[in-house]
Amino acid sequence: QKEVEQDPGPLSVPEGAIVSLNCTYSNSAFQYFMWYRQYSRKGPELLMYTYSSGNKEDGRFTAQVDKSSKYISLFIRDSQPSDSATYLCAMSANSGGSNYKLTFGKGTLLTVNP
Amino acid sequence: GAVVSQHPSRVICKSGTSVKIECRSLDFQATTMFWYRQFPKQSLMLMATSNEGSKATYEQGVEKDKFLINHASLTLSTLTVTSAHPEDSSFYICSAAQGYEQYFGPGTRLTVT
Repeated sequence: QKEVEQDPGPLSVPEGAIVSLNCTYSNSAFQYFMWYRQYSRKGPELLMYTYSSGNKEDGRFTAQVDKSSKYISLFIRDSQPSDSATYLCAMSANSGGSNYKLTFGKGTLLTVNP
Repeated sequence: GAVVSQHPSRVICKSGTSVKIECRSLDFQATTMFWYRQFPKQSLMLMATSNEGSKATYEQGVEKDKFLINHASLTLSTLTVTSAHPEDSSFYICSAAQGYEQYFGPGTRLTVT
């Protein structure tokens, strides 16, 4: 079993739809959870980060973490064609010092159709 | 804030030559930088963790003599691919850590002919 599982999709939705992206993990040591957006041939862009169970909202994006179920989600409201990208979940355990190595999911390719 | 640059963005080199890629954190100091490799439609594969002023820590299976990493200052890390071969062709991405948040550079596309 991989440490982080993420459905690679592809996921195709109409403009304005609510998008739900999910990851599950097996390592209980993970404490920090991030979502990155990566456009084709570009570096990942940090969208959201959180370190506690519950919801965190930023504009159209909501990150949700359920540590008891080892499950994280990213919701995108009122999706736009510009949201079309690959979304990567990433997690980190506190390994001491400043070396917060990230473990990534495979990424989900999202297409929002106008 | 939290901008990371990489140079060059794209490089084509001949087999057997060496290529250096620079990663800079432009508006913050990063004691730790990371180097990743990404194949098409795949996720990022961590190659090594680089700490300022000390030797890099390489992930299992990554040849330290082939992928030389130098972290000379709090804002600059370099990756040198030595004696490059076509199988080294890939997308190389660096990141700089600010606390537990990692900010990524735009990536460097390396093509070895």
